[in-house]
Amino acid sequence: QKEVEQNSGPLSVPEGAIASLNCTYSDRGSQSFFWYRQYSGKSPELIMSIYSNGDKEDGRFTAQLNKASQYVSLLIRDSQPSDSATYLCAVRPNDYKLSFGAGTTVTVRA
Amino acid sequence: DTEVTQTPKHLVMGMTNKKSLKCEQHMGHRAMYWYKQKAKKPPELMFVYSYEKLSINESVPSRFSPECPNSSLLNLHLHALQPEDSALYLCASSQERSEQYFGPGTRLTVT
Repeated sequence: QKEVEQNSGPLSVPEGAIASLNCTYSDRGSQSFFWYRQYSGKSPELIMSIYSNGDKEDGRFTAQLNKASQYVSLLIRDSQPSDSATYLCAVRPNDYKLSFGAGTTVTVRA
Repeated sequence: DTEVTQTPKHLVMGMTNKKSLKCEQHMGHRAMYWYKQKAKKPPELMFVYSYEKLSINESVPSRFSPECPNSSLLNLHLHALQPEDSALYLCASSQERSEQYFGPGTRLTVT
């Protein structure tokens, strides 16, 4: 079993819709969870971090964490063409190491 | 300010060359990282420095040699690389074990 699994893409949504990205992780002791956005040919950019169960909102982004189900998600509301990118879920099972999912590529159709 | 800088942006080197990648951050972060990323794959951790000491080496071949001259700088020395080492090399930093911020990367091509 992979440490971090993301829903397979690619995900295509129309402009203005909600994009929903899901991620599950295997290490129950994980404490920190992150979402990175990566545009083609660019480096990963941190867009959300979440540490406690529940929802965390930042602008059009909402991260949701459920440690009992070992599940973290990212919602992108009012999706824009500029949101078209690969989204990487990252989990920190211990100390400094981050475990990344394979990524989900999102395309927002104008 | 969450800026991590990396030089050069692009590097082409032969298999017998020696080159170095450089990374710098001025956020006061005490952990710095090197990752390697191949196309359509997530970043793979190579090395972690914590308080200027190497704390994680993910069984990286010795042709990659990291160095942390001070708390703001991180180098990756390259020697006798193989074509399969061509990739995007990413530097990141973090305050202790919190969020990691990535630099723009160095696109390395080994010929």
